[in-house]
Amino acid sequence: DAGVTQSPTHLIKTRGQQVTLRCSPKSGHDTVSWYQQALGQGPQFIFQYYEEEERQRGNFPDRFSGHQFPNYSSELNVNALLLGDSALYLCASSLNSAGELFFGEGSRLTVL
Amino acid sequence: AQSVTQLGSHVSVSEGALVLLRCNYSSSVPPYLFWYVQYPNQGLQLLLKYTTGATLVKGINGFEAEFKKSETSFHLTKPSAHMSDAAEYFCAVSPLGDKIIFGKGTRLHILP
Repeated sequence: DAGVTQSPTHLIKTRGQQVTLRCSPKSGHDTVSWYQQALGQGPQFIFQYYEEEERQRGNFPDRFSGHQFPNYSSELNVNALLLGDSALYLCASSLNSAGELFFGEGSRLTVL
Repeated sequence: AQSVTQLGSHVSVSEGALVLLRCNYSSSVPPYLFWYVQYPNQGLQLLLKYTTGATLVKGINGFEAEFKKSETSFHLTKPSAHMSDAAEYFCAVSPLGDKIIFGKGTRLHILP
């Protein structure tokens, strides 16, 4: 049973560029949440997707957007990258919004 | 607003000694409480969680935590530390199963 998978694992971008990160949830899960973990910090909630809609959102600007597909996989898009967007981006899946979160290993984004 | 405070960004204990990682939370509604562990370059793994019922919760790898409503605390303990316990530990709160909010983490060092 595959767990949560994320791609790419590492990537480097320059300021102003755009990035797309991808997540496949654990089998049987229908809800995907995205978190940003800056170096030395705890994960910060970005948003959560359920039934292809954004259900909850944290305190992140509109440059951060997402999508959930019919197969429950999800993408996180970040536009107009800033140096401060450098972080580990974690995807977590669950069975409904209150279910236990299962995390992927993350995508480490470096913005130069 | 809900928040989590972890006391001590770094904690060092000797191998075989008691592990105590402190966590206090604030929540306007009955919370769900979690402890996650993160090993280097990996995602987060759930150690244990409290939702309702018994206030002493047992988790994986010999860890346990006690929910104390009067103290708004959810401290994590393990009777005897092992070298493999060295990792980053995150306390988290979810008000009534809403989005999970993480603390800043405590890095546990095990001394030989």
